[in-house]
Amino acid sequence: EAGVAQSPRYKIIEKRQSVAFWCNPISGHATLYWYQQILGQGPKLLIQFQNNGVVDDSQLPKDRFSAERLKGVDSTLKIQPAKLEDSAVYLCASSLLAGGLQETQYFGPGTRLLVL
Amino acid sequence: AQSVTQLDSQVPVFEEAPVELRCNYSSSVSVYLFWYVQYPNQGLQLLLKYLSGSTLVESINGFEAEFNKSQTSFHLRKPSVHISDTAEYFCAVSGFNDMRFGAGTRLTVKP
Repeated sequence: EAGVAQSPRYKIIEKRQSVAFWCNPISGHATLYWYQQILGQGPKLLIQFQNNGVVDDSQLPKDRFSAERLKGVDSTLKIQPAKLEDSAVYLCASSLLAGGLQETQYFGPGTRLLVL
Repeated sequence: AQSVTQLDSQVPVFEEAPVELRCNYSSSVSVYLFWYVQYPNQGLQLLLKYLSGSTLVESINGFEAEFNKSQTSFHLRKPSVHISDTAEYFCAVSGFNDMRFGAGTRLTVKP
């Protein structure tokens, strides 16, 4: 079965520009997660969707970050405007059931963002 | 909210030696515990997890971890490592709608 797909794999932008990342989860997976991984740190959960509804976005900086999961399948994470501290790898993951955080998550390869 | 501390950022070890990667957590609620691994140039993948029941959990490639509630630890062990175990290992804890990862431990297995 195909894994979690993410694009682009790399992105370089200047501060104050906008950027969007796309994620296509494993087919049939109900839950989708976006993480931010800053160099030298573990992944930080930004937002969790179950189908097309938001379960938790408490750590999403809502003044500049937004995410949507239209039709409960693929998802887009946007940053507008970007800051230098947004430089990180953005990981998308999915899990089969809408059963909560005990489910095994399957991660994509990530998008590496550099903000200059 | 939960928090996770991985006590070693890097662990170098020779092939066939035993290894322990340490993980401590804090939480005010019941938790689920995970170890994820990231091999070079690959995405994160689940190694093993503790949800309930037996406190000792095992992976298919010889790793094991023991949930110790009194010490709030979930250390990962392997009695004999291989070159192919070289990777970054992340401990994670989840509670209700909150998942936290540790900063990771880079395991380097030398011949």
